[in-house]
Amino acid sequence: EVQLVESGGGLVQPGRSLRLSCAASGFTFDDYAMHWVRQAPGKGLEWVSGISWNSGSIGYADSVKGRFTISRDNAKNSLYLQMNSLRAEDTALYYCAKSSQGVVPAAILDYWGQGTLVTVSS
Amino acid sequence: SYVLTQPPSVSVAPGKTARITCGGNNIGSKSVHWYQQKPGQAPVLVIYYDSDRPSGIPERFSGSNSGNTATLTISRVEAGDEADYYCQVWDSSSDLSVFGGGTKLTVL
Repeated sequence: EVQLVESGGGLVQPGRSLRLSCAASGFTFDDYAMHWVRQAPGKGLEWVSGISWNSGSIGYADSVKGRFTISRDNAKNSLYLQMNSLRAEDTALYYCAKSSQGVVPAAILDYWGQGTLVTVSS
Repeated sequence: SYVLTQPPSVSVAPGKTARITCGGNNIGSKSVHWYQQKPGQAPVLVIYYDSDRPSGIPERFSGSNSGNTATLTISRVEAGDEADYYCQVWDSSSDLSVFGGGTKLTVL
């Protein structure tokens, strides 16, 4: 059974940093691209970032480019999102999602975690 | 950047057919994926590559894509289909994924 478990969320002050993690199990992690998608309270889905199976291809939404860094450790079956210079508008539930393919542009998100909540507030 | 436009809400009676549209410039040239999200739950993929269904998704769910509009069609709607639905594409010109604003399906 595919499982994606996010962690690392919490309350953080504007301008500070936070690192999210996603522990994956139930599939061959290094065969697939992975993505982060966020959802602000009461709002729709927003794609944040994606990383290919071998980290060779990475993409970011314009809203986070230059502030967020996605990475993965295939040996640990883990996905990460380093978030710097956080803003109030980054407040959201952050989902880790598995792609059905190894490349980023496919972005067919066939499994999702339950999300970790990030709140940016002073 | 590429914009996907969905109606905020669609209402349908049980047993009828619901159609949820997703508009975008020449969206017919892109691959469209659809997700269902029920309250308090993570999204679930219901249609990919315009019209393919993942295993476990009922045949009542179907999709089409042509011109400037992609459509998710849910036949014989049930109360359990009440949810938010999102369309998604990959915009190759900007190298990023885009979601529509979402449509709340209400079963009357």
